[in-house]
Amino acid sequence: EVQLVESGGGLVQPGRSLRLSCAASGFTFDDYAMHWVRQAPGKGLEWVSGISWNSGSIGYADSVKGRFTISRDNAKNSLYLQMNSLRAEDTALYYCAKLNYWGQGTLVTVSS
Amino acid sequence: QLVLTQSPSASASLGASVKLTCTLSSGHSSYAIAWHQQQPEKGPRYLMKLNSDGSHSKGDGIPDRFSGSSSGAERYLTISSLQSEDEADYYCQTWGTGTPNWVFGGGTKLTVL
Repeated sequence: EVQLVESGGGLVQPGRSLRLSCAASGFTFDDYAMHWVRQAPGKGLEWVSGISWNSGSIGYADSVKGRFTISRDNAKNSLYLQMNSLRAEDTALYYCAKLNYWGQGTLVTVSS
Repeated sequence: QLVLTQSPSASASLGASVKLTCTLSSGHSSYAIAWHQQQPEKGPRYLMKLNSDGSHSKGDGIPDRFSGSSSGAERYLTISSLQSEDEADYYCQTWGTGTPNWVFGGGTKLTVL
């Protein structure tokens, strides 16, 4: 059974940092590109960042470019999102996804 | 610029059929898309990948009531024999070029009457 389990969310003050993790199981992790997608309260899905199977190609949404860093550790079947200089508008449920499977999300709240 | 356009809302009666539309921006009519369902208070669920020729591959456990089709720049999701649990938000998604990136439509909120 494919599982994607996010962790690391929480309440953080504007300007601070947070690191999200996604633990993958049930499939060959290093065969697939992986993505982070977020959903602000009451809003639609917004793609945040994606990384190729070997970390050789990485993309970011303009809204997070220069502040967020995606990475993966294929030996640990894990995906990460380092989020720096957080803003109120980054408040959202953050999902880890591989197209045909999604995690349950981890909530990030940026507030003073 | 690659943009996916969806109607904000749709409604249909229990047991009826509904066809949701996702429109690709000009110059991108050959792109494949994926459909995702998000039931209230739940995470998204992959439904299918839909190619420009109308061929599609569904996710694990997706009922036969869900089908996809294409015409030009339009991609469709048809749900037949509507059930109450089909009431959800439906998002189309496609792939940008170059680095790994996705583009989402704004979503369609389906109400089952």
